[in-house]
Amino acid sequence: GAGVSQTPSNKVTEKGKYVELRCDPISGHTALYWYRQSLGQGPEFLIYFQGTGAADDSGLPNDRFFAVRPEGSVSTLKIQRTERGDSAVYLCASSLGSGGATDTQYFGPGTRLTVL
Amino acid sequence: GNSVTQMEGPVTLSEEAFLTINCTYTATGYPSLFWYVQYPGEGLQLLLKATKADDKGSNKGFEATYRKETTSFHLEKGSVQVSDSAVYFCALTGGSYIPTFGRGTSLIVHP
Repeated sequence: GAGVSQTPSNKVTEKGKYVELRCDPISGHTALYWYRQSLGQGPEFLIYFQGTGAADDSGLPNDRFFAVRPEGSVSTLKIQRTERGDSAVYLCASSLGSGGATDTQYFGPGTRLTVL
Repeated sequence: GNSVTQMEGPVTLSEEAFLTINCTYTATGYPSLFWYVQYPGEGLQLLLKATKADDKGSNKGFEATYRKETTSFHLEKGSVQVSDSAVYFCALTGGSYIPTFGRGTSLIVHP
């Protein structure tokens, strides 16, 4: 079946602009995660959804970042007033279960965001 | 807090060579340990995992053993192939479902 998909694959924007990044999880997966991966680093957790609700948003760096998952499937990560430091690859992952420590996460290919 | 330390890359090997990528961790309690692989142009994929001490995870000829006494989870493969060229990430979940990743180790295998 289809894996996790993310659109766009690349996004170039100017400082101060607003961007939206989309994630389509695997059908039936109730848990959804967003991560940010800077060059030469491992992924860093941003936010976790269980169904429609954000169960843990402790990784969001500041209030310019926001994410929604209104119907418990597709999720959108929104970044307001983008800064050059926001440039990174944004990864989405989904998992079947309740998000437990051994729950296998399936990752999308990522969206590469470049803020000029 | 939790942390994962991986050996720096790139690791460059000839085909059929033996591979070791070192990973050590710091965590409270009893974490679960993972290796993920990222092939060029693709998303991260779970390669193997181990959920308790002395467990050995294995997949596609790769192995890693959860060593609590040395807080390590080194990745090994007896004979690498060109197709194994990728970036490998060690990760743990300890105390919560949120994984902590290492910085990744790039592996380049030459024919």
